[in-house]
Amino acid sequence: DAGVIQSPRHEVTEMGQEVTLRCKPISGHNSLFWYRQTMMRGLELLIYFNNNVPIDDSGMPEDRFSAKMPNASFSTLKIQPSEPRDSAVYFCASSLARRKGGYQPQHFGDGTRLSIL
Amino acid sequence: SQELEQSPQSLIVQEGKNLTINCTSSKTLYGLYWYKQKYGEGLIFLMMLQKGGEEKSHEKITAKLDEKKQQSSLHITASQPSHAGIYLCGADKPEGDAGGTSYGKLTFGQGTILTVHP
Repeated sequence: DAGVIQSPRHEVTEMGQEVTLRCKPISGHNSLFWYRQTMMRGLELLIYFNNNVPIDDSGMPEDRFSAKMPNASFSTLKIQPSEPRDSAVYFCASSLARRKGGYQPQHFGDGTRLSIL
Repeated sequence: SQELEQSPQSLIVQEGKNLTINCTSSKTLYGLYWYKQKYGEGLIFLMMLQKGGEEKSHEKITAKLDEKKQQSSLHITASQPSHAGIYLCGADKPEGDAGGTSYGKLTFGQGTILTVHP
């Protein structure tokens, strides 16, 4: 079975440009998570969705960041305008969240390594 | 909010040696997950623990959750270079009432960097 698919794997762009990261979750999963990982701050949760609805975006650093999930099989994370401090590895993860407990692990994509010059 | 502290932050061992990584929570753990990450790759799910005293093994890796459900350990027996990487623990937190809807959100520890010398 296909895992979480992220694109692109690498992105290098100049400061001020718009960046769009894409994610296809595992089919049948109903929760989707966007993370950012840096050496300094570790793994940070940016935003997560359940049934395509944003549940908590308190981790989104600034208004320059936005995320959408138009359907169950696709999500985007957009940065506009981008800044050098946005350079990091961005991960998407998905899971099957159940009512009344029944905990399930998150499955991660391979990430997008973003460099803003 | 729930916080997870991992120890040690980094670990260097000789191939064949046993090692243990700990994950301590400030609150009761409802679901505890162990992941491994290799450089440049995503996190790979290893094991999940839910019940106090639970223990699970996969190949040479054993994970345990203590009876009070506030500490977990990951033990590797006879380490190999393929075990090298970053190990992270993550904890689930149910949203709303206990036993209510869980959206699957996890809080992660800062990670333990494992180096295994051949």
